[in-house]
Amino acid sequence: ETGVTQSPTHLIKTRGQQVTLRCSSQSGHNTVSWYQQALGQGPQFIFQYYREEENGRGNFPPRFSGLQFPNYSSELNVNALELDDSALYLCASSYPLGSDTQYFGPGTRLTVL
Amino acid sequence: GQQLNQSPQSMFIQEGEDVSMNCTSSSIFNTWLWYKQDPGEGPVLLIALYKAGELTSNGRLTAQFGITRKDSFLNISASIPSDVGIYFCAGQLPDSNYQLIWGAGTKLIIKP
Repeated sequence: ETGVTQSPTHLIKTRGQQVTLRCSSQSGHNTVSWYQQALGQGPQFIFQYYREEENGRGNFPPRFSGLQFPNYSSELNVNALELDDSALYLCASSYPLGSDTQYFGPGTRLTVL
Repeated sequence: GQQLNQSPQSMFIQEGEDVSMNCTSSSIFNTWLWYKQDPGEGPVLLIALYKAGELTSNGRLTAQFGITRKDSFLNISASIPSDVGIYFCAGQLPDSNYQLIWGAGTKLIIKP
């Protein structure tokens, strides 16, 4: 059974640029959640995707958007990057919808200069 | 964003000692979860609690769901070197079936 994978591992961007982060969910998991984890903090919920639709959203601006594909993999897109967007971005998959047992990937470390 | 109050922020302990950490909230939670995160990795679920007063063990780890539903604690008995890492509590609000609210973490360091 393959776990949750994320790419890339690390990324450096400059302010104003756009970034796309990718996540492959664990086999059989149809729900993907994205979190932002700033240094020294717990994860903050960005949004969740279920069956290719956004199922819920945390307190993040619209420049944070996502997609889920038929194979349940997912993308997180961030436009107009700001310095405060520098963080570890975590993807978690789960099954069924509403399950609190989420399996996390290793994350993508984004640095915005 | 909303966060749980987790304490202590860090702990320096000797190998073999017992460890205790807790989380409190002003809100009632339906579920309390405890995760561990190692450097360069995502959080891993340790224990899940679903009922007020519930006490659950996972090996040397024991966690309890507070009676008021606003707090939880995690105990680790007889700590070993591989216990080092950051422990997070997370809770699920009654009106949400998808969003987890997280504490800021307790960093566990074992003194040489």
